[in-house]
Amino acid sequence: GDSVTQMEGPVTLSEEAFLTINCTYTATGYPSLFWYVQYPGEGLQLLLKATKADDKGSNKGFEATYRKETTSFHLEKGSVQVSDSAVYFCALRNRMFSGGYNKLIFGAGTRLAVHP
Amino acid sequence: EAQVTQNPRYLITVTGKKLTVTCSQNMNHEYMSWYRQDPGLGLRQIYYSMNVEVTDKGDVPEGYKVSRKEKRNFPLILESPSPNQTSLYFCASSGTGSLSGANVLTFGAGSRLTVL
Repeated sequence: GDSVTQMEGPVTLSEEAFLTINCTYTATGYPSLFWYVQYPGEGLQLLLKATKADDKGSNKGFEATYRKETTSFHLEKGSVQVSDSAVYFCALRNRMFSGGYNKLIFGAGTRLAVHP
Repeated sequence: EAQVTQNPRYLITVTGKKLTVTCSQNMNHEYMSWYRQDPGLGLRQIYYSMNVEVTDKGDVPEGYKVSRKEKRNFPLILESPSPNQTSLYFCASSGTGSLSGANVLTFGAGSRLTVL
């Protein structure tokens, strides 16, 4: 079945460092891809999304490009801040399977800790 | 403010004592869903609802029930909780329109449940 694999964390960086969190997926058809962020004690918030191959989602300095040839959707940011410390989830939505049209399949999550 | 509200946020209970986690949204969304979050597994869908009186199982429905009598509410019921239901639970909702952003899932802040 469809699945999402994320790099294991935690990822620990110094402020202003470059961030990459790897995400690869397995899916039939043409899924939409998402990155969600979970700050401590809060629910998940949509960070960015891409709905078709070669689309680039971007928000708050974060970017991810939908690469169908490598089935990847890696999250990047050029210069992280302490306030970016959170758990990041990669997810896919595939209208071809059950769970309602808006079911998301999530990766395990990657915890990011940014130090001053 | 548009939001998904869950209660309680934290609960410790004992095996077999029935409990309900409430979920309410104020965005007139048709679609609602429950997920559980466990370390190393990400979020997994428990149940979902496409509209009032329309509910269906997700990937991990065993031990849970739901109802959708009103559009805004989607309670999660644990008739006889067991320790393996200790988890962090999220309710989410979305619209069904085709406009950009209309069907992005909005998550509640989460309910942390411990079953002893």
